[in-house]
Amino acid sequence: GEDVEQSLFLSVREGDSSVINCTYTDSSSTYLYWYKQEPGAGLQLLTYIFSNMDMKQDQRLTVLLNKKDKHLSLRIADTQTGDSAIYFCAVSLDMEYGNKLVFGAGTILRVKS
Amino acid sequence: DTGVSQDPRHKITKRGQNVTFRCDPISEHNRLYWYRQTLGQGPEFLTYFQNEAQLEKSRLLSDRFSAERPKGSFSTLEIQRTEQGDSAMYLCASSLARLTGNTEAFFGQGTRLTVV
Repeated sequence: GEDVEQSLFLSVREGDSSVINCTYTDSSSTYLYWYKQEPGAGLQLLTYIFSNMDMKQDQRLTVLLNKKDKHLSLRIADTQTGDSAIYFCAVSLDMEYGNKLVFGAGTILRVKS
Repeated sequence: DTGVSQDPRHKITKRGQNVTFRCDPISEHNRLYWYRQTLGQGPEFLTYFQNEAQLEKSRLLSDRFSAERPKGSFSTLEIQRTEQGDSAMYLCASSLARLTGNTEAFFGQGTRLTVV
């Protein structure tokens, strides 16, 4: 089945850029997503990228996709303390009817002031 | 519409009891998903509805679990004879099926189940 891997922890200083990395195994994934989860809360969709794109920018967020290496990254510019959370990479996997998301285990981002 | 809502937010139950969770999706969304998230892990797919039809079930969904979406709107997830291993966050998500293009899934706040 599909496997999605992420590094467990990232610590940055406020104002620096953060880069969270993700690798996946299924090359047929059409859409790839980044979700944010704050303590005790559900998942907030941050951004997504279609598999035929290399890059997508959305305000402070930049998503890079290397399809050949099956590598996805999320760059957060000017990281703020409010960005401290768990970030999940997810890829869409087609089922017989519809599709489901396969998630990585999450990267804990800690922003130090 | 305020998004996907789940009820209750927290549930503590004794082992062996039955529990039922409710999910109200975004109103125009025809797809509804249930995921389970254990501590330190990402969410794992449990089951999926398109309108009232349950179209996919994960192997994680043992026969003690049952989900319904009777009128294609809200959904319930029931766990019978709960076990300590059922302790987790149960997340509901909904999306709008399109013929082409992305179908973003929006998640609720989750129901945290603790089995004691």
